This record gives sequence, C-alpha cells and structure tokens, in this order.
Amino acid sequence: AQRVTQPEKLLSVFKGAPVELKCNYSYSGSPELFWYVQYSRQRLQLLLRHISRESIKGFTADLNKGETSFHLKKPFAQEEDSAMYYCALIPSNTGKLIFGQGTTLQVKP
Amino acid sequence: NAGVTQTPKFRILKIGQSMTLQCTQDMNHNYMYWYRQDPGMGLKLIYYSVGAGITDKGEVPNGYNVSRSTTEDFPLRLELAAPSQTSVYFCASSYLSDRVIFGQGTRLTVV
Repeated sequence: AQRVTQPEKLLSVFKGAPVELKCNYSYSGSPELFWYVQYSRQRLQLLLRHISRESIKGFTADLNKGETSFHLKKPFAQEEDSAMYYCALIPSNTGKLIFGQGTTLQVKP
Repeated sequence: NAGVTQTPKFRILKIGQSMTLQCTQDMNHNYMYWYRQDPGMGLKLIYYSVGAGITDKGEVPNGYNVSRSTTEDFPLRLELAAPSQTSVYFCASSYLSDRVIFGQGTRLTVV
C-alpha cells in the first residue's frame, strides 16, 4: 500500500538556521509528490509540488527516487515559517491524495 | 469565488445519531476528497471522487458513506456516530492532481 512517512512530529530551530523536514514514501510506481502547509488559523494550502521544481518562500524539495524521499529544505528559517507541514503523494493517475502525519516547525527568535 | 464550502462548522452528536457533512465547490473541479484530522495523526483520507458518479474508498472509510451526484457537491454521511469519529473533517477539491483547495473544516464531537 502507498504510504507517506514524516518521522518528526516537531522540529524546533532558531531563526536563521537551516531547516530540513523529512518525508519518505512507499510506492513502486512514479508518484506525484507535494508539500502542503497549514499556518495558524488558516486553511491547509499547497506549498510546492515536485513536478514544478520550484522554490516557494525559499523552500525547495527534491525527489530522490533511490531513497524514496522528498525532503523539504530552507537554508535560513524565518519566524513566519512556523506552521504544520504535510508531505503528500498521489500514486500515478489515481487522484488518491495521501498525506503523511505532519511535522510542526517551530522557528524561535 | 467561494472555493470549497463546508457546513456545519461545529456539531455535537450523540452516540448512534446520524448526520451529513455538506461540501460544495464552485470551481468546476473534478476531484473531491474527504479527510479527517486527529491530533498527531495527520490527515487520513476517508473517501474521494474523481468525477460525478464515481467514488472510491480512502484509508479509513469504515463508518462513512459518500455520494457524488453532481460535480459541485460531495456530502459525507455518518450513519451511526461513535466516539471514535470525533475529529476535524476537511473537504477538498482539485482539477485533476493540480493544487488541492481545502474547506475550513468541520469540528465534530460525538458524546
């Protein structure tokens, strides 16, 4: 079965420090992978998707098929990055969007 | 543009009661989803639909039913509410596998 694993429930860093939120997936085919973010009192929203290979708010994520990982990175964390981050996967051509358990990022001043 | 609208926002149910969580979207999205969010457990997919008349089970479908008679609406039915169904429920929609838009959530408590 397809699965998304985010091993860290909480990641706490100081402002300006690098951030890496880990995401591993299990799926034998070619998945579509995403990172979603939920800021306090806001709706869950898309941060980035691997197909776009984009950088949003300084965050990037690279798909590593060999390690089945899609870690989210930012070189210098900001306080406004504090939020809950979810890694998500769609098995190819199914429309079935599955989320990981989520990681709370806390950026301290 | 209203996006994804869920009603109600809050509800308290007694064990054994039934209810329907409503979800409607005005973006002509073909994909729609229902999730539940429990503390520390992330989002679990209950049911999803890739178009009107088509529904599929997600990760945790037991105790729930859905229908998709129109593109816009995707109601979630709880037939016999149980305390284990206490959760926050999110409806979402997207065009194919593009950006998924979420509703504001329904906080359900079963007592």
